[in-house]
Amino acid sequence: DGGITQSPKYLFRKEGQNVTLSCEQNLNHDAMYWYRQDPGQGLRLIYYSQIVNDFQKGDIAEGYSVSREKKESFPLTVTSAQKNPTAFYLCASSIQDRAQETQYFGPGTRLLVL
Amino acid sequence: AQTVTQSQPEMSVQEAETVTLSCTYDTSESDYYLFWYKQPPSRQMILVIRQEAYKQQNATENRFSVNFQKAAKSFSLKISDSQLGDAAMYFCAYRIFYNTDKLIFGTGTRLQVFP
Repeated sequence: DGGITQSPKYLFRKEGQNVTLSCEQNLNHDAMYWYRQDPGQGLRLIYYSQIVNDFQKGDIAEGYSVSREKKESFPLTVTSAQKNPTAFYLCASSIQDRAQETQYFGPGTRLLVL
Repeated sequence: AQTVTQSQPEMSVQEAETVTLSCTYDTSESDYYLFWYKQPPSRQMILVIRQEAYKQQNATENRFSVNFQKAAKSFSLKISDSQLGDAAMYFCAYRIFYNTDKLIFGTGTRLQVFP
């Protein structure tokens, strides 16, 4: 089955610790995205990548880092510089074709601070 | 700045009835895409329907249809014959493509469906 997987489903971070959220897709999509969702708000873009070995900052990139070494994978690291990391994180992917501009989402990871 | 506004934090509808969720957006772009996503309690975002701004015809997907008014920058979602499984958060989103590539989301409307 084709789709987007995210792991873990729940993640706990201690103060001062870096944690990495996994996102993998087997849809052969070129572009991948990371969004953050806070209670009562819509999603906000953290980072995105349209091609391997290249990525751009979104609206709230501070305290986060990403890599795109493989087309299928786009991990997100929440660093200790992110002072308010508790949120729901969603990964998405899309085909870079103007006729098919839909972003498809993974099941998400909930990050909690201990 | 591009923004998306959903003015109805909560809506309710009786099973088998019709409900309309509102969405307005602000943009200076002429080429863009609009989406409605559903987020059930599992929290996965599921695409409901999409609309290309250059198309005059309103998109339809089974019981879901939109009323796209480009001049008014309005993009409402109509759910016909509502079902209990339609209960969820619904997000309106606008995608821009030039200079940056992202979805801009509204704050969502929580839809309750009563039997």
